[in-house]
Amino acid sequence: GQNIDQPTEMTATEGAIVQINCTYQTSGFNGLFWYQQHAGEAPTFLSYNVLDGLEEKGRFSSFLSRSKGYSYLLLKELQMKDSASYLCAVRDSNYQLIWGAGTKLIIKP
Amino acid sequence: ETGVTQTPRHLVMGMTNKKSLKCEQHLGHNAMYWYKQSAKKPLELMFVYSLEERVENNSVPSRFSPECPNSSHLFLHLHTLQPEDSALYLCASSPQEGATNEKLFFGSGTQLSVL
Repeated sequence: GQNIDQPTEMTATEGAIVQINCTYQTSGFNGLFWYQQHAGEAPTFLSYNVLDGLEEKGRFSSFLSRSKGYSYLLLKELQMKDSASYLCAVRDSNYQLIWGAGTKLIIKP
Repeated sequence: ETGVTQTPRHLVMGMTNKKSLKCEQHLGHNAMYWYKQSAKKPLELMFVYSLEERVENNSVPSRFSPECPNSSHLFLHLHTLQPEDSALYLCASSPQEGATNEKLFFGSGTQLSVL
């Protein structure tokens, strides 16, 4: 079966750096997405990776290794507003999106 | 503001009630989706519409009935639900259905409680 694994919850300190990991086993691979979802709000798109390597976008970066079935989202200079759930999703060979259960990130002052 | 609006934000209903969830997108997208989000579980795709035609129904019980009257509006009609149907129901849209790199635009969801 297809599976996406991410940690259920992480805690980090304001101003620090945190890395949220995502590992996947899917039928084929057509890209990996990260979304951010604040409590009670809509998930919003953060990043898309289809080739190996690091994509940087301001304080957020996303990394992909297709051979390892692995991605991470790196958040730098953490702010209180970064407290949210982070969802990892993979598009498989049938172009279906396979979702992880999300990682709840708690930022402490 | 994502351009996708869902109403109501919260809904409490009994198992014998009939209610409808509404979704509207102002983005000119051709594809619309219903997802179910339960606590600590992955998003579950329920229905997909492309150009107002249903293209996917992921073995969803018949007590959930979708309707897409045009490319901007999507409804989810609910009847004789069960307590395990309590969840956050998210609507999403995208320019095309199933394109490799296209992102989804989500609404804020309807938090449904079935008593």
